[in-house]
Amino acid sequence: DAMVIQNPRYQVTQFGKPVTLSCSQTLNHNVMYWYQQKSSQAPKLLFHYYDKDFNNEADTPDNFQSRRPNTSFCFLDIRSPGLGDAAMYLCATSRGLTVGEEQYFGPGTRLTVT
Amino acid sequence: QKEVEQDPGPLSVPEGAIVSLNCTYSNSAFQYFMWYRQYSRKGPELLMYTYSSGNKEDGRFTAQVDKSSKYISLFIRDSQPSDSATYLCAMTFGAAGNKLTFGGGTRVLVKP
Repeated sequence: DAMVIQNPRYQVTQFGKPVTLSCSQTLNHNVMYWYQQKSSQAPKLLFHYYDKDFNNEADTPDNFQSRRPNTSFCFLDIRSPGLGDAAMYLCATSRGLTVGEEQYFGPGTRLTVT
Repeated sequence: QKEVEQDPGPLSVPEGAIVSLNCTYSNSAFQYFMWYRQYSRKGPELLMYTYSSGNKEDGRFTAQVDKSSKYISLFIRDSQPSDSATYLCAMTFGAAGNKLTFGGGTRVLVKP
């Protein structure tokens, strides 16, 4: 009974070739988050959606975009991946934005840029 | 300087030992403190959640918060090989909503 599903688990793309990562959830949560986690580093929040409202972190590069067509799905688009974008991308959900509300994470997509 | 510092490890202990993990932070506004466990090739999962200072116990796990020292700890008693994972601390405060600031994680290896 997977709750937050990410596809694919591993993605290889070429330098500069657009790539899309997918996240779906069966929890019916209002909030969906995308994090970038580089090797042995802290997860870094890129952006989140509260329902259809998009909230971008100030330091997220323009190269990263997101779409949420419905409650269940959220996509991360990297328009022109660079070598520095190789990382684990984590999707998470929460019921709301109340401080301290539990976030449920997916297994992540490991992105390799060649 | 990072807002949240965590020793990356690895921390290797024999089965049955107490595992002691900690994080230091610089932002005195943090009020909510969490510990996440992340197995290899999996996403983080919430282990413990505490508000403000004090201790919280849940089975073999004890979380401590010392706001005066800006220091939080997680203790795992009677450690098992299944506890081998990376442990991430995370924290937030009221005005930040549900935006978490994570430490870099400590890798723990419990040897049978």
